[in-house]
Amino acid sequence: QKEVEQNSGPLSVPEGAIASLNCTYSDRGSQSFFWYRQYSGKSPELIMFIYSNGDKEDGRFTAQLNKASQYVSLLIRDSQPSDSATYLCAVNILTGGGNKLTFGTGTQLKVEL
Amino acid sequence: DAGITQSPRHKVTETGTPVTLRCHQTENHRYMYWYRQDPGHGLRLIHYSYGVKDTDKGEVSDGYSVSRSKTEDFLLTLESATSSQTSVYFCAINLGTGEGYGYTFGSGTRLTVV
Repeated sequence: QKEVEQNSGPLSVPEGAIASLNCTYSDRGSQSFFWYRQYSGKSPELIMFIYSNGDKEDGRFTAQLNKASQYVSLLIRDSQPSDSATYLCAVNILTGGGNKLTFGTGTQLKVEL
Repeated sequence: DAGITQSPRHKVTETGTPVTLRCHQTENHRYMYWYRQDPGHGLRLIHYSYGVKDTDKGEVSDGYSVSRSKTEDFLLTLESATSSQTSVYFCAINLGTGEGYGYTFGSGTRLTVV
């Protein structure tokens, strides 16, 4: 079993709709959870992090965490064509080596006009 | 921008040759990481550093070595490049310690081994 699992997609949503991206993780010791966005040919950029159960909102983005179910999700409201990218879920366990992030393989999101 | 640069941006090299990739940061961050990204595998940790001369292995370290002789530079060396090491390599820095601190990534190095 992979440590961090994501559906590779592509996930296609119409412009203006809510995009829902999901991620499960296997290590119950995971403490912080991150969502990165990666445009084709570019490096990943951090868009959200969450470490407490529940929801965290930032603009059009909402991260949701359920540690009991080992599940983290990202909702994107009012999806725009510029949101079309690959979204990477990452989890970390604090160690002596600082934050070591383990990444999922990413979900490709396509927002259609 | 967190001031992290990678060089070179692109490189083509022959099988069996050594290759060194450089990551340079300007903000004195303690933790630095090297990842490779491949289709179907996502980002995988090669090596990381938690200080000058302090490094450790990640999940895909075979065939790679690293060095960090000063805070700002973290070098990744492919000792004898193989075609399986054709990949995009990303350097990352840890923006802080504790919960909630993620990474900032460099622009990446696209390496092709022929």
